[in-house]
Amino acid sequence: DSGVTQTPKHLITATGQRVTLRCSPRSGDLSVYWYQQSLDQGLQFLIQYYNGEERAKGNILERFSAQQFPDLHSELNLSSLELGDSALYFCASSKETSNQPQHFGDGTRLSIL
Amino acid sequence: AQSVTQLDSQVPVFEEAPVELRCNYSSSVSVYLFWYVQYPNQGLQLLLKYLSGSTLVKGINGFEAEFNKSQTSFHLRKPSVHISDTAEYFCAVSPSGAGSYQLTFGKGTKLSVIP
Repeated sequence: DSGVTQTPKHLITATGQRVTLRCSPRSGDLSVYWYQQSLDQGLQFLIQYYNGEERAKGNILERFSAQQFPDLHSELNLSSLELGDSALYFCASSKETSNQPQHFGDGTRLSIL
Repeated sequence: AQSVTQLDSQVPVFEEAPVELRCNYSSSVSVYLFWYVQYPNQGLQLLLKYLSGSTLVKGINGFEAEFNKSQTSFHLRKPSVHISDTAEYFCAVSPSGAGSYQLTFGKGTKLSVIP
């Protein structure tokens, strides 16, 4: 058990819809990273938040957004969903020091019908 | 920017045989190096990491990796594999300087251990 909790584990929805994925980091971790794992693109970094502020942005679509709340949990919002958004979305947390690696949750599997 | 190349997408190996999973990286800045393992329907688990110091790094489950700066490689090895090692293995890098430690991953190598 990594200590990172992601909900829901599975999400099935239709094109054009909007969903919210939730992540609770490990106790004491201020940093939250979101990654997307798909068959064609592999594992890609989407966005990072540190103590409530956006710190880094990767290959995140404009239809996607995220935020980190005062209690440090984070939400990834995906809107106007397309078939190609079907993927496994991982959240990872860390203490954001050089010797502290990221710990990953079990992911949310998003299926777009 | 960084990139990671895992040279083999699939590696079949017999139980108790040695295995090497290859990883090469490219980066314009100094990096930290990682190997993660993903078992079916699970998240990624850290096997080992190289931050600095000794180029031979030992991790969990009997795995080790060697950092070779001149060849920009970070190959993963295990002297004797078990059935339970069947999984997908990902090599990753992150910038070592201040700022974000975002990970750039390779495409993964699926290790299949044959009884």
